[in-house]
Amino acid sequence: AQRVTQPEKLLSVFKGAPVELKCNYSYSGSPELFWYVQYSRQRLQLLLRHISRESIKGFTADLNKGETSFHLKKPFAQEEDSAMYYCALSGVAGGGADGLTFGKGTHLIIQP
Amino acid sequence: KAGVTQTPRYLIKTRGQQVTLSCSPISGHRSVSWYQQTPGQGLQFLFEYFSETQRNKGNFPGRFSGRQFSNSRSEMNVSTLELGDSALYLCASSLLTTGELFFGEGSRLTVL
Repeated sequence: AQRVTQPEKLLSVFKGAPVELKCNYSYSGSPELFWYVQYSRQRLQLLLRHISRESIKGFTADLNKGETSFHLKKPFAQEEDSAMYYCALSGVAGGGADGLTFGKGTHLIIQP
Repeated sequence: KAGVTQTPRYLIKTRGQQVTLSCSPISGHRSVSWYQQTPGQGLQFLFEYFSETQRNKGNFPGRFSGRQFSNSRSEMNVSTLELGDSALYLCASSLLTTGELFFGEGSRLTVL
């Protein structure tokens, strides 16, 4: 069975400090990993996916198959980064449409 | 381009009743997925439809069902409602080739 674990329910950092949101997964095959974000009063939306290897809004995430992790990082946090962040896994190639397994989410608060 | 539209946004039902929720995907998107979000379990995959066919189903009882119409609009139905069915039900549409999910605002169901 596939599983996604986000160990921190809440993470509070000061503006300008580095941010790391942890995500560990359990899956026997080659997963596709995603980070979704939900800003206050907005819809859940895709932030980034490992296959595209992009930096979005200053965030990056590297898939570490040895440690089965997909941590989300940003070197300098901004107040507008405050949101709920969800790590998600798809076990199907080209995934996302075939049923994502989500972590429970981490509420990131950036303090001024 | 209009986003994913879900109706109704809020509804209250009593135990034993049934409920039907509707989802209109983004124009051109042929895949529609449904997720249940609760404080305890987080986001859980219900099912996914593509071209009127259910392609994948999550681990939910048979009381949860869905369908998709030829215009890609989808409905989900929950019969014999239980208190534990109280949740936010999210619909997401996608272009199969990208796998990125575009979420609606959700239908919040309260079962009394």
